Amino acid sequence: QSVLTQPPSVSAAPGQKVTISCSGSSSNIGNHDVLWHQQLPGTVPKLLIYENNKRPSGIPDRVSGSKSGTSATLDITGLQTGDEADYYCATWDDSLNAGVFGGGTKLTVL
Amino acid sequence: QVQLVQSGAEVREPGASVKVSCKASGYTFTDGYIHWVRQAPGQGLEWVGIIKPSSGHTTSAQKLQGRLTMTRDTSTNTVYMDLTSLTSEDTAVYYCARDLGDWGPGTLVTVSS
Repeated sequence: QSVLTQPPSVSAAPGQKVTISCSGSSSNIGNHDVLWHQQLPGTVPKLLIYENNKRPSGIPDRVSGSKSGTSATLDITGLQTGDEADYYCATWDDSLNAGVFGGGTKLTVL
Repeated sequence: QVQLVQSGAEVREPGASVKVSCKASGYTFTDGYIHWVRQAPGQGLEWVGIIKPSSGHTTSAQKLQGRLTMTRDTSTNTVYMDLTSLTSEDTAVYYCARDLGDWGPGTLVTVSS
């Protein structure tokens, strides 16, 4: 069980919007920036969001992140079948003195 | 561009050790941190440890402390992850990642008798 809680799965239709949540505590999300990664089947994780809401170059603006208190959220609008993947949040945890990942959320585009 | 090249797949028997390398290029090696992350078959990402190449300072996941050693060689821009007393639960793809932004291709470590 991860200290960062994500829903195991979410789904939405093409063109719709999906929100993936990541819930933590004051020792992790509450005190550190959050990153989000996308992992397509059989591939290496890819950074989508860093410092809570910043996109690396090449990541489309239909992908956005936010943080409030001890929770973070990843939003993807205009869903495409190519967005079907596992999504992970990550941050640092002061109590564990370690990096932590959420358990991952499988996105299905119906 | 940033490139992380990892060593090839390894097969070890239970109780053995494995050393995985990660050679960096395309940036100043001593800038930032290198994380190690692993992913067991069909499972999620698990943070393993971190090394600061400029100083060699390391921090390991609690469950791996005592078995995990991370080192770096600034002459070859390479970091190493050494895991001892392997069990089947260590079977995973091991990734190195610079600041969790740029990732290596992964190294499959299989522990099996």
